[in-house]
Amino acid sequence: DAGITQSPRHKVTETGTPVTLRCHQTENHRYMYWYRQDPGHGLRLIHYSYGVKDTDKGEVSDGYSVSRSKTEDFLLTLESATSSQTSVYFCAISELGVDTGELFFGEGSRLTVL
Amino acid sequence: RKEVEQDPGPFNVPEGATVAFNCTYSNSASQSFFWYRQDCRKEPKLLMSVYSSGNEDGRFTAQLNRASQYISLLIRDSKLSDSATYLCVVNLNNNDMRFGAGTRLTVKP
Repeated sequence: DAGITQSPRHKVTETGTPVTLRCHQTENHRYMYWYRQDPGHGLRLIHYSYGVKDTDKGEVSDGYSVSRSKTEDFLLTLESATSSQTSVYFCAISELGVDTGELFFGEGSRLTVL
Repeated sequence: RKEVEQDPGPFNVPEGATVAFNCTYSNSASQSFFWYRQDCRKEPKLLMSVYSSGNEDGRFTAQLNRASQYISLLIRDSKLSDSATYLCVVNLNNNDMRFGAGTRLTVKP
């Protein structure tokens, strides 16, 4: 299995509080992604990174920011959590990018915003 | 309209059955196609790529029809361990991979 660790794995928070999810990889892959998964919607890309300090927005980026100061770490921040951000968040990594189709996913972080 | 659409199922089949899933996509510029498998409360994992000429991996066969913009996955001789949700994935471009919501399969003894 690819070396991807997400933390925390479960979090319950209140509306308006900041939340940071961490993705850590030991594979030295260039590309890192944050997705959210909701019933009926499938996985949707929030942000991705193609190198240290190089990030770009995905399909559902509003309300989220990211940072990548080291190859191995990709942080997802919700500045002020809302109930609509209750979801399961998956981090993924890829050596060559999505053209190969092979993304390796972390185990997911389940976030509940009350 | 969603970029990628799948019948959510569930498909309930007996062991040994053959089952097929279809997926349609809306963007004719889509470049590459894949099937992922996701077990309950687990992360998705790549099952197979889908090539224009069709491709097979053991009991699994994937087909692509660009003209009609659909992708299919055929599973022969279903096993209990095939029970999972199957995600259709379409790569538009520039790291824009779109996932279908998934088709749930349950294989019963």
